[in-house]
Amino acid sequence: DAGVIQSPRHEVTEMGQEVTLRCKPISGHDYLFWYRQTMMRGLELLIYFNNNVPIDDSGMPEDRFSAKMPNASFSTLKIQPSEPRDSAVYFCASSLGTALYGYTFGSGTRLTVV
Amino acid sequence: AQSVTQPDIHITVSEGASLELRCNYSYGATPYLFWYVQSPGQGLQLLLKYFSGDTLVQGIKGFEAEFKRSQSSFNLRKPSVHWSDAAEYFCAVGPKAAGNKLTFGGGTRVLVKP
Repeated sequence: DAGVIQSPRHEVTEMGQEVTLRCKPISGHDYLFWYRQTMMRGLELLIYFNNNVPIDDSGMPEDRFSAKMPNASFSTLKIQPSEPRDSAVYFCASSLGTALYGYTFGSGTRLTVV
Repeated sequence: AQSVTQPDIHITVSEGASLELRCNYSYGATPYLFWYVQSPGQGLQLLLKYFSGDTLVQGIKGFEAEFKRSQSSFNLRKPSVHWSDAAEYFCAVGPKAAGNKLTFGGGTRVLVKP
């Protein structure tokens, strides 16, 4: 298995533009998580899905952020409009079943909003 | 609510010396416990995990961790560090009951001196 695949690896965009981050989880995993990592706030859980259904989006910072999981093999995190304070590394992770097995993380997308 | 505390933000250790990273958690019951490592520019990789049974667990890259229920701790150790162990280390807890939401500590950055 190729692991959790995120694209793009790096994204530089101008303030006000729409940004879409993509994630392909490990085949067969039924949980998918989106995290944001910054120096100031560390790792923050934004949202997670179980069987493609959003379970907890309490970490989504604002209405500018939205996430979808149209099928078991694909998820997107969209920021519209983007702001400089959204600059961070965004990680996607997937897992199987309960917390028993831990998560498998992707390599992340480094977003810079100028 | 559950929480994870990693008291040391930075640790510097000489190559070949031993390493111990501290992790304390607050949880309603004994949770699943994890240690992850993040190398620069990479996602988080699972080092080891504790579910039940033997309180000393072995992981990859020569790491081990000991669960101490009385102290609500799950400290990570390595007898002799290598320069390649320079990274950030995260402790995490997860529920044994239904649900699959890991709570991560703030991380400990390890620097290895030659």
